[in-house]
Amino acid sequence: GENVEQHPSTLSVQEGDSAVIKCTYSDSASNYFPWYKQELGKRPQLIIDIRSNVGEKKDQRIAVTLNKTAKHFSLHITETQPEDSAVYFCAVSQGGSEKLVFGKGTKLTVNP
Amino acid sequence: KAGVTQTPRYLIKTRGQQVTLSCSPISGHRSVSWYQQTPGQGLQFLFEYFSETQRNKGNFPGRFSGRQFSNSRSEMNVSTLELGDSALYLCASSLETYEKLFFGSGTQLSVL
Repeated sequence: GENVEQHPSTLSVQEGDSAVIKCTYSDSASNYFPWYKQELGKRPQLIIDIRSNVGEKKDQRIAVTLNKTAKHFSLHITETQPEDSAVYFCAVSQGGSEKLVFGKGTKLTVNP
Repeated sequence: KAGVTQTPRYLIKTRGQQVTLSCSPISGHRSVSWYQQTPGQGLQFLFEYFSETQRNKGNFPGRFSGRQFSNSRSEMNVSTLELGDSALYLCASSLETYEKLFFGSGTQLSVL
């Protein structure tokens, strides 16, 4: 089955710095790559997603880049703010099924 | 528009008991999926229902089962509870596929 590895597991940055989280996957048939943000005690929420026919997508301070050849994609957050502190999960669609496989999460802490 | 509603919010059970969790999707959403979340393990896919049919199943034992009703509401059942079943159980709804999932707040299950 699909294997998704997410790094780093924890990330601490100063307010205003950039943060990058990377995920690698194994299934070359995967074609959908979302990122979810889960604040402490709250539900996961979709923050950005990308399909395999697009190399990069940006939404204000967040962006996702996809390298299909190398089978990895990354979440970039610029000008981080304390409210960006949360656990971020990447996910990958498993080819041939209606199923998302999630990474184990990255706990991002933005220090004021 | 009301979000995804899960009941109950908290459950405490003892080993060997069985439990039923409920999920009401966003109006108009026909796909409901279930995930188990434990610290450090991310979100593990349990199963997904669409139009009352299970379309996909994760790698969980047969003690975990579910169903979906004609109004898209879904229930998940766990029989013969084990200590390791203690987790946050999240359901998510979407229009038709795994894209753009909306999560509920989850049911926190504790097995003693």
